[in-house]
Amino acid sequence: NAGVTQTPKFQVLKTGQSMTLQCAQDMNHEYMSWYRQDPGMGLRLIHYSVGAGITDQGEVPNGYNVSRSTTEDFPLRLLSAAPSQTSVYFCATAPAGGRETQYFGPGTRLLVL
Amino acid sequence: AQSVTQPDIHITVSEGASLELRCNYSYGATPYLFWYVQSPGQGLQLLLKYFSGDTLVQGIKGFEAEFKRSQSSFNLRKPSVHWSDAAEYFCAVGTGANNLFFGTGTRLTVIP
Repeated sequence: NAGVTQTPKFQVLKTGQSMTLQCAQDMNHEYMSWYRQDPGMGLRLIHYSVGAGITDQGEVPNGYNVSRSTTEDFPLRLLSAAPSQTSVYFCATAPAGGRETQYFGPGTRLLVL
Repeated sequence: AQSVTQPDIHITVSEGASLELRCNYSYGATPYLFWYVQSPGQGLQLLLKYFSGDTLVQGIKGFEAEFKRSQSSFNLRKPSVHWSDAAEYFCAVGTGANNLFFGTGTRLTVIP
């Protein structure tokens, strides 16, 4: 039982390149989300999903795209990377319902040059 | 709109001393409140959460937090800090839709 996994652990991109950050969970959770963590700013919600086929924007969605074709996977796509997207990205999952504990993955550290 | 303020960026305490980390929130409805801990290079782990009922909640690793509606606060406490408690601590407010709004975090350093 792996919980929440994220790949890659670390990535370096050049400005303008695209890439996909992977998030997978084996807990059968309906809710999945992506956060970015920047120094002095805490974690900010990028996109989230309450179930397969349903996604919505969070606080800072610009420059990112998501889809949810299965319960298990929730990839985050950077369409054209910018230096401002240098950050640590965390995926989180939870059962449906606002009172549920969220389980965070180990993070992906992204550097955009 | 919801927001969370953690006024202390960095706190240093001696091992064995007591600890209080401050958290103030702004939210129009009854809040769901959380404290998470992040060790260096790791993801976030839930320490405790408050939804309703008893305003003093107990968490893992000997932590507790008290919800004070009149002060819009949810401060985290521990009576005796251990060196392994050195980490970054995040307070968060949750909406009914699972989404969390985090404070900027408080980094805790523990002196032997």
